[in-house]
Amino acid sequence: AQSVTQLDSQVPVFEEAPVELRCNYSSSVSVYLFWYVQYPNQGLQLLLKYLSGSTLVKGINGFEAEFNKSQTSFHLRKPSVHISDTAEYFCAVSVAPPMDSSYKLIFGSGTRLLVRP
Amino acid sequence: GAGVSQSPSNKVTEKGKDVELRCDPISGHTALYWYRQSLGQGLEFLIYFQGNSAPDKSGLPSDRFSAERTGGSVSTLTIQRTQQEDSAVYLCASSRGGRVTEAFFGQGTRLTVV
Repeated sequence: AQSVTQLDSQVPVFEEAPVELRCNYSSSVSVYLFWYVQYPNQGLQLLLKYLSGSTLVKGINGFEAEFNKSQTSFHLRKPSVHISDTAEYFCAVSVAPPMDSSYKLIFGSGTRLLVRP
Repeated sequence: GAGVSQSPSNKVTEKGKDVELRCDPISGHTALYWYRQSLGQGLEFLIYFQGNSAPDKSGLPSDRFSAERTGGSVSTLTIQRTQQEDSAVYLCASSRGGRVTEAFFGQGTRLTVV
């Protein structure tokens, strides 16, 4: 079974500083990886995804993530954060085809990014 | 529709009552998910429907929880004999097919059991 670990429950950072939100997964098969963002009082929206190909994935709002198969990680980064980036960030994993398995999407516990002026 | 629609947006119920939560997925999406988000917690997987395949119910926390999907579209999550620990935001999501490339989420139903 797949699982996702987000070790940091909250990450405080000053505006314009760089940030990295950590995500590690466990799976015995190939996976797809995702980052979702939930702004205050809003629904979840997709930030970026890794399906195949280049291990460096760029998403919306200047975020990027790097898939590292040997370390089973998919950390999210942004070189300079804004106040508006304050939100909850969720890492998620799904089994990649052609595995004969449920393709359910499993989420981590989330990391609250708090950007301070 | 344009997005995933969930109703009601808020529900307050008395302990012991049954509740039904509704999800209208994006038209044409064959996969549908239910998650539960409790205060300060992540997204807990509940159940997953994919086309005509048997649903993956491995996340349902107890036999008080059940879900169905009629005609491959609308889904209803039912919680029987609600308990206070059932209080949470219940999120529904849909995606285009079995190979999850992006799941689209509804705004959720906030359930409060008093």
